[in-house]
Amino acid sequence: AQSVTQLDSQVPVFEEAPVELRCNYSSSVSVYLFWYVQYPNQGLQLLLKYLSGSTLVKGINGFEAEFNKSQTSFHLRKPSVHISDTAEYFCAVSGMGTGFQKLVFGTGTRLLVSP
Amino acid sequence: IAGITQAPTSQILAAGRRMTLRCTQDMRHNAMYWYRQDLGLGLRLIHYSNTAGTTGKGEVPDGYSVSRANTDDFPLTLASAVPSQTSVYFCASSDGGLGRTEAFFGQGTRLTVV
Repeated sequence: AQSVTQLDSQVPVFEEAPVELRCNYSSSVSVYLFWYVQYPNQGLQLLLKYLSGSTLVKGINGFEAEFNKSQTSFHLRKPSVHISDTAEYFCAVSGMGTGFQKLVFGTGTRLLVSP
Repeated sequence: IAGITQAPTSQILAAGRRMTLRCTQDMRHNAMYWYRQDLGLGLRLIHYSNTAGTTGKGEVPDGYSVSRANTDDFPLTLASAVPSQTSVYFCASSDGGLGRTEAFFGQGTRLTVV
């Protein structure tokens, strides 16, 4: 089974500042990793994903994440945030293997960008 | 392309009443899912369906049932609603079982059980 920990429930940051949202996972098997974003009163949409290959993954809206297997982390970063990045961000993990693979979500991190 | 459509968008329901949340997708995805989102708990899987005609239980299935008569529709039924089922419900679909493939989400149904 897999689990995801997002240590920060809320991250306040000023516009144009860099930000890092932390995500750690646990799993007994190899995993796929995802970051989803949820804007107010909307569903979730995929920001980026790590399946294999390069550990640095680039996503939409200037976000990137780095897979660190030794630290079981998949932190999300953006060098300069905008007001429009204010949203809830969810890290998710699923196991590799045959059969149905459940997508397990973290509890979310609310990014609050202020001018 | 509409993607995933959920109905209703919100509902206030008396405890003990039966309620069906509707979900329709137009992407011809074979897999569909129902999640509930609660503050501090993230999203938790209620039920899923890998393909039309088959369903499976997620991590919080009690009090909910689903059916998958065709590829496009995946309704979620609360047989006798209780206040603890107050939540935001999201339907999702993917082209294949969740793993490598991206999940697409509906806009959600906000349900309040009083």
